[in-house]
Amino acid sequence: EVLLVESGGGVVQPGGSLRLSCAASGFTFDDYAMHWVRQAPGKGLEWVSFVTGNGDATYYAESVKGRFTISRDNSKNSLYLQMNSLRTEDTALYYCAKDRGSSGWTHWGQGTLVTVSS
Amino acid sequence: QSVLTQPPSASGTPGQTVTISCSGSNSNIGRNIVNWYQQLPGTAPTLLIYSTNQRSSGVPDRFSGSKSGTSASLAISGLQSEDEADYYCSAWDDSLNAWVFGGGTKLTVL
Repeated sequence: EVLLVESGGGVVQPGGSLRLSCAASGFTFDDYAMHWVRQAPGKGLEWVSFVTGNGDATYYAESVKGRFTISRDNSKNSLYLQMNSLRTEDTALYYCAKDRGSSGWTHWGQGTLVTVSS
Repeated sequence: QSVLTQPPSASGTPGQTVTISCSGSNSNIGRNIVNWYQQLPGTAPTLLIYSTNQRSSGVPDRFSGSKSGTSASLAISGLQSEDEADYYCSAWDDSLNAWVFGGGTKLTVL
């Protein structure tokens, strides 16, 4: 069974940093690209970042470019999101999702909540 | 403001057919496949339709997807109370080099 478990969320002040993790199990992790997607309270889904299976290519939403860094450690079956210079508008539930290419993002975690507030 | 445009709400009575639209442009829906995600209240999104018109594993054939030009649609026939959820379309955007979502449509079963 595929399982994605996010962690690392919490309350942080504006300008602060946080590192999110996504622990993957139940599939060959390095065979699949991965995404981070976020959802602000009461709002819709917003794609944040993407990384290929071997980590050699990454993409970012304009809203986080230069502040967030996606990475992965295939030896630990883990995906990460380093978030710096956090803003109040980054407050959201952050999901990791497994990408099966043209077959869609087939599995999502339950999310970890990030609150940016003074 | 989302790159893909969906109606904020839709509704129907049990047994009816409801269609949710997703309008984009040549740089996203016009050139690329569309995926649809269902988000039940208080839960994470799940894949509903992939590659524009393919049902994900376990999704009943009451759900169908289609595309014409720069617009895509999700149709739900034989509406059931458990279909009450938020629905999101998504596609890759060649101009933005980013994945984009619609703003989501909240479906209410009356």
